[in-house]
Amino acid sequence: AQKVTQAQTEISVVEKEDVTLDCVYETRDTTYYLFWYKQPPSGELVFLIRRNSFDEQNEISGRYSWNFQKSTSSFNFTITASQVVDSAVYFCALSQKAAGNKLTFGGGTRVLVKP
Amino acid sequence: EAGVAQSPRYKIIEKRQSVAFWCNPISGHATLYWYQQILGQGPKLLIQFQNNGVVDDSQLPKDRFSAERLKGVDSTLKIQPAKLEDSAVYLCASSFQGATNEKLFFGSGTQLSVL
Repeated sequence: AQKVTQAQTEISVVEKEDVTLDCVYETRDTTYYLFWYKQPPSGELVFLIRRNSFDEQNEISGRYSWNFQKSTSSFNFTITASQVVDSAVYFCALSQKAAGNKLTFGGGTRVLVKP
Repeated sequence: EAGVAQSPRYKIIEKRQSVAFWCNPISGHATLYWYQQILGQGPKLLIQFQNNGVVDDSQLPKDRFSAERLKGVDSTLKIQPAKLEDSAVYLCASSFQGATNEKLFFGSGTQLSVL
């Protein structure tokens, strides 16, 4: 079974502040992928980043960075110097071959960036 | 490159009525997904197609929901008869092969209100 939990339902920040979104996952498989998607008010989910289970190296891509820790089954996502356009719902998701590559989403975290 | 197309954008029906949603995936994408997103929750997979065959429909309420992808391109999702709890956004997504590490491309969704 696979499960994704996003404990934060809503985060409100002022522009230029950093925002960190928490994600905890459950899986019995050793091979899996973790994703972050963004859902702006238009409704269309947009892929942001992905990480495979064998690579725990944390990375930075522009204003996005992520912290993957297998020991705690966490895959946290940070937006640095937030902007109003970052206001959206962010979803963490898990895909594993043992589950037929089905993408399982967490409940989402709504981020509101105020000017 | 054209994205995933969905129609209609909004639909309002009364309970016990029927409704159908249409999706046209990105050209060349073999895998097509239908997700249900209830307000305030993450998307939940209803059915996954690989070309014109069903890969996973374990969470599809088959007594009232049906879906087809007859020619392995566009797809239709039908609800008959609708219940109040079917009020949600129905998202269509596609990916190239449906592999574990592939990102999904989503349409803007159809927002269904059942009164």
